[in-house]
Amino acid sequence: AQSVTQPDIHITVSEGASLELRCNYSYGATPYLFWYVQSPGQGLQLLLKYFSGDTLVQGIKGFEAEFKRSQSSFNLRKPSVHWSDAAEYFCAVGDEGGRRALTFGSGTRLQVQP
Amino acid sequence: NAGVMQNPRHLVRRRGQEARLRCSPMKGHSHVYWYRQLPEEGLKFMVYLQKENIIDESGMPKERFSAEFPKEGPSILRIQQVVRGDSAAYFCASSPRETYEQYFGPGTRLTVT
Repeated sequence: AQSVTQPDIHITVSEGASLELRCNYSYGATPYLFWYVQSPGQGLQLLLKYFSGDTLVQGIKGFEAEFKRSQSSFNLRKPSVHWSDAAEYFCAVGDEGGRRALTFGSGTRLQVQP
Repeated sequence: NAGVMQNPRHLVRRRGQEARLRCSPMKGHSHVYWYRQLPEEGLKFMVYLQKENIIDESGMPKERFSAEFPKEGPSILRIQQVVRGDSAAYFCASSPRETYEQYFGPGTRLTVT
């Protein structure tokens, strides 16, 4: 069965610094990969997705992610973090069984220092 | 263009009571997914429904939990005889067709006292 690992539970960066959030997945075929952001008390907002094609995908709010098949990774990056980026970030993979469910990682909580 | 609506946003129930969570998908969406988020964890898939059909309920607990998506009206997730372990945030997502690209609602936070 597929799985998603986000090894960093909590990350703190300074405003204006660059950011990379790690995501590793376990999946038998070419995965469908997603990054979502969840602000406190809110639902999930889709940041970006990878289905096929170019391995560097651009998303909303200045985020990008790179799919690396050899490393089974789909890390999220942003060149310059804003205070409003403080939130919880979830990586997800489409279910291998084709039922269209998503399997989520446990999340990385991002704090931004002024 | 309203997004996915869930109500109530917060629900408090005593042990043994029933909880009913409602989800209205985005306009034009006929596919609904329910996920549960326990404290400090990611979301876990529960059930996938289309209008009047349960497509996949492999993530649902075997007892006390049920879901429906009638021809008219919202999708309902029903939890009978709630226990403290049911305290969680329950998220609904919808899509216009069978796809991984799902749009999430704000969630219902259930607290069982």
